[in-house]
Amino acid sequence: RKEVEQDPGPFNVPEGATVAFNCTYSNSASQSFFWYRQDCRKEPKLLMSVYSSGNEDGRFTAQLNRASQYISLLIRDSKLSDSATYLCVVFSSGSARQLTFGSGTQLTVLP
Amino acid sequence: GAVVSQHPSWVICKSGTSVKIECRSLDFQATTMFWYRQFPKQSLMLMATSNEGSKATYEQGVEKDKFLINHASLTLSTLTVTSAHPEDSSFYICSARDGTGEIATNEKLFFGSGTQLSVL
Repeated sequence: RKEVEQDPGPFNVPEGATVAFNCTYSNSASQSFFWYRQDCRKEPKLLMSVYSSGNEDGRFTAQLNRASQYISLLIRDSKLSDSATYLCVVFSSGSARQLTFGSGTQLTVLP
Repeated sequence: GAVVSQHPSWVICKSGTSVKIECRSLDFQATTMFWYRQFPKQSLMLMATSNEGSKATYEQGVEKDKFLINHASLTLSTLTVTSAHPEDSSFYICSARDGTGEIATNEKLFFGSGTQLSVL
């Protein structure tokens, strides 16, 4: 089983739609969780951290469920510029790798 | 904010040649740098952790003699792909950690812009 698993998509949604991505992780000792955005052949960029209490940043809402080892990202009122690959990233201090990246979920927002 | 400069952005080379990729932290000292490889539609896979002044720590399955890492200063790490072959074609990206920060504080982890390597 992969340490961090994501639905690869692709998700093709119309502009203005709401779309949700899911991610599961296998290491129950994982400490911190993030969503990154990566455009084609570009470096990943931090979108937001994920907290158990849930956090929102504009149209983006992230949620963490430690009991189920599950992370989600919700994008409301999607824009064309939201088209990218969204990476779920998990930090575990006990692992030499520390940061583990999911394989990403590809989103295309259509006009 | 802090910047990590990675060069070159694109490399096309013949099979059997060596390619060097540089990663520089421009306004902070990076005691630790990470090198990742990403194949199309796959996740970033950590290749090695580079610590200034010491040998790099390679992940399982990564050949240290093929992927030479040098971290001679607090602002520069290089990855040399020796005797590159077509299967080495990939997107290589570095990240650097501010010497005082933990990765958990994500603001302390900065990525280079990546290098697309194509081996013919």
